[in-house]
Amino acid sequence: GENVEQHPSTLSVQEGDSAVIKCTYSDSASNYFPWYKQELGKGPQLIIDIRSNVGEKKDQRIAVTLNKTAKHFSLHITETQPEDSAVYFCAATAGVRGGNKLTFGTGTQLKVEL
Amino acid sequence: GAVVSQHPSRVICKSGTSVKIECRSLDFQATTMFWYRQFPKKSLMLMATSNEGSKATYEQGVEKDKFLINHASLTLSTLTVTSAHPEDSSFYICSASGATNEKLFFGSGTQLSVL
Repeated sequence: GENVEQHPSTLSVQEGDSAVIKCTYSDSASNYFPWYKQELGKGPQLIIDIRSNVGEKKDQRIAVTLNKTAKHFSLHITETQPEDSAVYFCAATAGVRGGNKLTFGTGTQLKVEL
Repeated sequence: GAVVSQHPSRVICKSGTSVKIECRSLDFQATTMFWYRQFPKKSLMLMATSNEGSKATYEQGVEKDKFLINHASLTLSTLTVTSAHPEDSSFYICSASGATNEKLFFGSGTQLSVL
């Protein structure tokens, strides 16, 4: 089955700096890679996603890159703000073909300091 | 994004009682719903997958008689924790997807505390 590794487990940055979180996956059949933000006591919120036919996607301060050959994908947050502080999870799935079952990374606790 | 509503957000119960958690897709038809369990500072652990009108598929190690899942309609799935014990205390989260869209949207979670 799919295995997703995520690094780092904790990340502390100064407000305004960039933050990068990296994930690797094992199953070459995975073709959809979402990123979720989870605040304490709440459910995960989809913040950006990328499909395997695309190498990069950007939405304002958030971007995701995908390297299919190396089986890794990354989340980039620029101009970080205190409200970006949360736990971020990457995930991978073979999509509808895989029953939409997501395999999650272990999470990254991002702290944006003033 | 699509809206998934989960209730209750928090429940405290006595050991031996049963607790039902509801998960509703508000603006789309959820052919598949997933139930997760999350321990503090840990990732989400998939418990089971439920498809509308059929029996749920449970992950290895998850007791199907303990965690009853019903997905009777395209907008509602329920998880019942039967005869709850303190070790069942956890954060339970549901997610839902449509028939042709791999995007998964999550409910707000339910914090279960069993005394």
